[in-house]
Formats: sequence, C-alpha cells, structure tokens
Amino acid sequence: GEDVEQSLFLSVREGDSSVINCTYTDSSSTYLYWYKQEPGAGLQLLTYIFSNMDMKQDQRLTVLLNKKDKHLSLRIADTQTGDSAIYFCAERAVSGGGADGLTFGKGTHLIIQP
Amino acid sequence: GAVVSQHPSWVICKSGTSVKIECRSLDFQATTMFWYRQFPKQSLMLMATSNEGSKATYEQGVEKDKFLINHASLTLSTLTVTSAHPEDSSFYICSALQTGGANQPQHFGDGTRLSIL
Repeated sequence: GEDVEQSLFLSVREGDSSVINCTYTDSSSTYLYWYKQEPGAGLQLLTYIFSNMDMKQDQRLTVLLNKKDKHLSLRIADTQTGDSAIYFCAERAVSGGGADGLTFGKGTHLIIQP
Repeated sequence: GAVVSQHPSWVICKSGTSVKIECRSLDFQATTMFWYRQFPKQSLMLMATSNEGSKATYEQGVEKDKFLINHASLTLSTLTVTSAHPEDSSFYICSALQTGGANQPQHFGDGTRLSIL
C-alpha cells in the first residue's frame, strides 16, 4: 500500500525560508499534494504536482520532486507568522478506474520564531 | 471557486445519539466525495469514498453500518454516525472532486468536530 512520511516539527525564524520534506511510496502514476491546516480548521490546498514534473513554483511556494528518491519538498520563501500551521503531504495513485482517496503523511508543524 | 461547505462545524451529543454531517459543493458538481477522520495531532485517514447515485466504498476497518453515507445529489453527501459512542469522537472532514476532474485536486470542507459525552 501507499505510505507517506514527514517529520513532525520544523522551527524557522521569521523571514527565513522553510523547507518541509516528505517521502512517499511510488505508484505508476502519482499526484502529490501539499495542504495547510490551521488550528481547528479544514485543509487548504497549497499546491500539487504530477509525478512527471520536477518542480513547480507559485509565488512564495516552490515544490521540488525527486522521483528517484521518492522525495518531495515544499519551500516557503520569506516565512511569515501567518505561515504557522500544520502542513500535510498527500499522495494519490491513479488507478485508472476513477477517483481515489488521498494518503496523508502525519503532518509537519511549522513553528515561526520572531 | 471550488468551495466545499461542511455542516455542522461542531457538535456535542450524548452517547447513543445518531449524528448527521453534511458536505456540500457550493459552486461545482461533485460526482465523488470523500470522508476522512482525523484524531488529535494525527493525520487524516480515509474512511470511505462516496459516489453519487451508488453505494459508498468503505476502507478496510471502517464499519459501514456505523458510518452511513448517502450521496443523493451531485452537490451533497451526508455521513451519519449511528449510535455514537465516546470513541467516535473525532474531527471528520469531507472533500469533493469536481465531476469530470479525476485529475484535479480534492477540495476540502472545514471539518466537523464531533464530541460524544
């Protein structure tokens, strides 16, 4: 089955870059997602990447994918206090039969130091 | 766009009560919706896949008679926790997939915090 692993905590200074890492088990075709969850709230989709891509950038967010090592990272440039949240990496294997649910990592709690 | 509304956001009830949670896609049609469960400080676990007009598909270990899912329209799926007990207390989150968008991301509701006394 699919498995997604993340470190549980990351602490960075305000203004620095944050890099959140994730490893996953491979499938023939995979979508990989980053979601943000603030306390008591639902999940906000930040970005996603298909496994045939190496990089995707959207404003302060950069996603890097290393297919060989099955490693995904999310870089947040100029980290702000509002970025404090739990970040979930999620994988979806495309089975060909239709929609599939996501497999989530345990989430990385991003802590911002002033 | 792609807004998913979940209701209620928080419910507290006595043991033995049945609780219904609604998941609505507000500005798009969703043939498929998903129900997840999240325990405190843990990840989301997929419970079931809800398909409009057909029976839901449950993940291994999830009791279908305990968690009743109905997806009667393209914009609404409901999860009913029957005869709820304290161990059913959790954060339940739904997501919706736009019809024809199997390759699109899932959009999540804000979740329902269920507390059973």
